[in-house]
Amino acid sequence: DAGITQSPRHKVTETGTPVTLRCHQTENHRYMYWYRQDPGHGLRLIHYSYGVKDTDKGEVSDGYSVSRSKTEDFLLTLESATSSQTSVYFCAIRRQILSYGYTFGSGTRLTVV
Amino acid sequence: AQKVTQAQTEISVVEKEDVTLDCVYETRDTTYYLFWYKQPPSGELVFLIRRNSFDEQNEISGRYSWNFQKSTSSFNFTITASQVVDSAVYFCALSPSIIQGAQKLVFGQGTRLTINP
Repeated sequence: DAGITQSPRHKVTETGTPVTLRCHQTENHRYMYWYRQDPGHGLRLIHYSYGVKDTDKGEVSDGYSVSRSKTEDFLLTLESATSSQTSVYFCAIRRQILSYGYTFGSGTRLTVV
Repeated sequence: AQKVTQAQTEISVVEKEDVTLDCVYETRDTTYYLFWYKQPPSGELVFLIRRNSFDEQNEISGRYSWNFQKSTSSFNFTITASQVVDSAVYFCALSPSIIQGAQKLVFGQGTRLTINP
């Protein structure tokens, strides 16, 4: 297990409020990702990081920002939550070389009312 | 651009039947990785298999088997003698195989498999 922890696991928030989701890893992996899961769409990439303070946009980045001030933490922020951002959010790390692959956190279920 | 298509949105079978989940992919990369993940009702994503595009051998793991055909860009997943515990959403995914760089995993839409007792 990559030791990935997502917090909170569940959150209900009101439209227009800021929300920050946290992904914490304990194995010093360089690459981290944020995905959202919606019915009929599978998982879609929001943002990813390739190192401390190095981030880039994914497929569905509008309305989201990220930060990575430490290797172990990758934060996803919804600056002003909208109902369309109601989703399940997954964080992932990418393993290198010999054990190449992706390991996912347990997910955060976010509801925007 | 990379794309993964799982045309079967939902499949429902009776326990002990065999079932095949289809996965078709598009990529311009000459080398790439294909994955299958299982998402049980509890919601976590469970890694099942990784296949390098160089390796076209089929793989069997217990009741699970995978058929990789580069000629048709398909990576299908078969469960033999299905069980109720196999009920889950299954995702096929694709990534470039170049180790350097933030290689992003692209998912299909998922197939919801229900095994009825």
